[in-house]
Amino acid sequence: GAVVSQHPSRVICKSGTSVKIECRSLDFQATTMFWYRQFPKQSLMLMATSNEGSKATYEQGVEKDKFLINHASLTLSTLTVTSAHPEDSSFYICSARDWGYEQYFGPGTRLTVT
Amino acid sequence: DQQVKQNSPSLSVQEGRISILNCDYTNSMFDYFLWYKKYPAEGPTFLISISSIKDKNEDGRFTVFLNKSAKHLSLHIVPSQPGDSAVYFCAASRMKTSYDKVIFGPGTSLSVIP
Repeated sequence: GAVVSQHPSRVICKSGTSVKIECRSLDFQATTMFWYRQFPKQSLMLMATSNEGSKATYEQGVEKDKFLINHASLTLSTLTVTSAHPEDSSFYICSARDWGYEQYFGPGTRLTVT
Repeated sequence: DQQVKQNSPSLSVQEGRISILNCDYTNSMFDYFLWYKKYPAEGPTFLISISSIKDKNEDGRFTVFLNKSAKHLSLHIVPSQPGDSAVYFCAASRMKTSYDKVIFGPGTSLSVIP
């Protein structure tokens, strides 16, 4: 149980384009989903917290107009990187939590912006 | 200011011996602690957790110890196996609601030498 999927696992896009990453909780309802970014050899950096049906709460320094988060249902959240730049290249990981306290992570999405 | 600290960025242990990973936190409001394991290019996997009403929680080869007065917790892995080689993240949260975010430490890279 408690499986979280992400799609796509890898994506390459050109500068200036937008890319959408999906995060799904497959066997439970996620009241809260989190989006993280990880640079090589660094820790997980929380970007934003989203609760189903409400606007995401972004961490300080994260541009909400650049990283659009939608948590449309209890099993799906999407992160859209708009006008992607090479500096946005990173490993993006989502996690989901039900009414418990553990977070279950997706496998991550490797974004490369050329 | 880092609220969750893992002061050892890396640790090497011989196979069969005990691995001890340490974590310190600064926020006395934290009352739930988690350990995650992460392989490169994958999402973190939940390992074990402990609430502040306990001082020890054990699950197979993994034991987490919590010293609230010292704001310190540790993860013991015994016996260590080569497959345990990964980055281990300590995380802390409050049990107030499931909306509360989890704060991650910077991680400790464990290498178990055959």
